[in-house]
Amino acid sequence: GAVVSQHPSWVICKSGTSVKIECRSLDFQATTMFWYRQFPKQSLMLMATSNEGSKATYEQGVEKDKFLINHASLTLSTLTVTSAHPEDSSFYICSAMALGTGVQETQYFGPGTRLLVL
Amino acid sequence: EDKVVQSPLSLVVHEGDTVTLNCSYEVTNFRSLLWYKQEKKAPTFLFMLTSSGIEKKSGRLSSILDKKELFSILNITATQTGDSAIYLCAVERGSNYKLTFGKGTLLTVNP
Repeated sequence: GAVVSQHPSWVICKSGTSVKIECRSLDFQATTMFWYRQFPKQSLMLMATSNEGSKATYEQGVEKDKFLINHASLTLSTLTVTSAHPEDSSFYICSAMALGTGVQETQYFGPGTRLLVL
Repeated sequence: EDKVVQSPLSLVVHEGDTVTLNCSYEVTNFRSLLWYKQEKKAPTFLFMLTSSGIEKKSGRLSSILDKKELFSILNITATQTGDSAIYLCAVERGSNYKLTFGKGTLLTVNP
């Protein structure tokens, strides 16, 4: 139980284009999902908390107009990187909070999306 | 500012060795401490620790938390090459379930 998927697993795009990443909880409902970014040889940095049916809350220093988050259902959150630039190239990881599902109540991570902006 | 510090940052051992990974923390509103294993993809959950002094075990891995001294250790006995990975420690804060991660320990197990 508590499986989280992400799509796509990797994407290459041109500078200036927008990229959408999907995060799905496959066997449980998640009112809260999180989006992280991980640069090479660094740890995971929380970007934002995504709450179903309400606006996402962003960590300090993360531009909400650049990283658009939508959590339209209890099993899906999307992150759109708008007008991507090479410095946005990174490993983007989502997690979903499993509460009251019979598994350990904690965040379960998706497999990540590698974004390369040329 | 919340801090999670892991040591060592990297470690190279031979198969069969026992390793101990360290994690110290300073956070407000501590809720739990978690250990993850990260290979080439996203982290996979190992342990969640909320109470001091109670060891959690899973096969050759075990972990314990000291809430007085604000640290945790992760032990791996009889290491195998498949244990090679980055081990991440994270602390869950308050009621919003946010995690603060350490930089990780890169473990390399040589045959």
